[in-house]
Order: sequence, then structure tokens, then C-alpha cells
Amino acid sequence: GQNIDQPTEMTATEGAIVQINCTYQTSGFNGLFWYQQHAGEAPTFLSYNVLDGLEEKGRFSSFLSRSKGYSYLLLKELQMKDSASYLCAVRPYSGAGSYQLTFGKGTKLSVIP
Amino acid sequence: KAGVTQTPRYLIKTRGQQVTLSCSPISGHRSVSWYQQTPGQGLQFLFEYFSETQRNKGNFPGRFSGRQFSNSRSEMNVSTLELGDSALYLCASSLVRGGLVSPLHFGNGTRLTVT
Repeated sequence: GQNIDQPTEMTATEGAIVQINCTYQTSGFNGLFWYQQHAGEAPTFLSYNVLDGLEEKGRFSSFLSRSKGYSYLLLKELQMKDSASYLCAVRPYSGAGSYQLTFGKGTKLSVIP
Repeated sequence: KAGVTQTPRYLIKTRGQQVTLSCSPISGHRSVSWYQQTPGQGLQFLFEYFSETQRNKGNFPGRFSGRQFSNSRSEMNVSTLELGDSALYLCASSLVRGGLVSPLHFGNGTRLTVT
């Protein structure tokens, strides 16, 4: 089976740093994705990790530990526009090359002045 | 480059009816996936198509079906609609490059309301 857990809601202050955690238990693993989704809009791709370690992309970084089934998304210098839902998704291994993703229910981040 | 296009944006149907949703992927993307998004369950995988073939199907009843055309455009159909089918239906396309993984690119979705 597949199970992905992340906090339901978080609140942080403009200019601060916030870390959104994600733990997963899946039958296979072929990479972990983070997506951002503003209310009423499509999810947009933020980052991808397949090996252990930190991937940095501007104000956003994502970390993966495969042995612990754990990832986090780090957002620095928070801006009001970062208020959105953040979705953690795992690609279970599939020999057919499937692009099926299993998503967590998302973390709604509210950035306050 | 145009993004993933889904039509229509909004639909209102009554129980028992059927509905067809359409998705045009990003040019060059041959993998198309469909997801259902609800507040309670989040994003759930429906099915994925590649080269007109369904590669994977999620845990949804047979009332949910789909297909892909030779130009990679895809449609999904839901028959005998139920109130619980009210959701945002998202289509996503992906570039297939051998064994490399590329991210899903989502459309804005079709908001289906069943009354």
C-alpha cells in the first residue's frame, strides 16, 4: 500500500523560514516530488529528489532520506505569495515506466505579515 | 509553449447522467494522466495513458474510463454520475525521455458538480 503523511496546516511569518515535512511508506520508490498549488489553480512543480540529500533551487530546497522514508521542503525568505498548499508526491517504482504519482493530502501554508 | 488545456472548466450535471472531459497535453508530451482532487481525499490517481494505451489505473470503479488519441489528446468519461463524483478533475502531461523522470505538468482542471 501507499501512505504519505504531511501536516494539514502551517502558519509562518513573512520573511521567515518554514519547513514542511513529509513521511512516506510506499511499496516502491522511484523519486519524490513537491508541488505548489494556489487556491483555484493547477499544481505546479517545485522540486524532485531521487537520491538522498538536499536539492536547492533559489528560495526553495528539498531534502530526502530514503532510509527514513522522509522528506522536507524548506522555504526561505517567505513572501505573502507563498501562501498555498504544498503537495508531497511519491513515484512508486514501476517497471513499465509509469508516471503515476501518489500524493499526500497537502499542507496549507498561510504566510502572515 | 502552451500548457495543458482542459475543457470545460466547469460542469454541472445531475445524478445518473454521464460526462466527458477533455485534455490537450503540452506539445511533445505523450504521457497523459488523470487525477481526482477532493478536499477530503486530496489528489487521487485515476489512470495514465501513453501512446494510446492505458498503462496504469487507480482504484476507481469501472464507471470511470478514459482514452487517448493518436495526437496524445485524452478524454475521460464518467457514467452514471453519483453525488460523490463532485470534484476537481486534473489532467497532467509528462515528457517521456527513456528512463529519465520528468515532472507532471497539470492543467487548470475541470470542476464537476453533481446535483
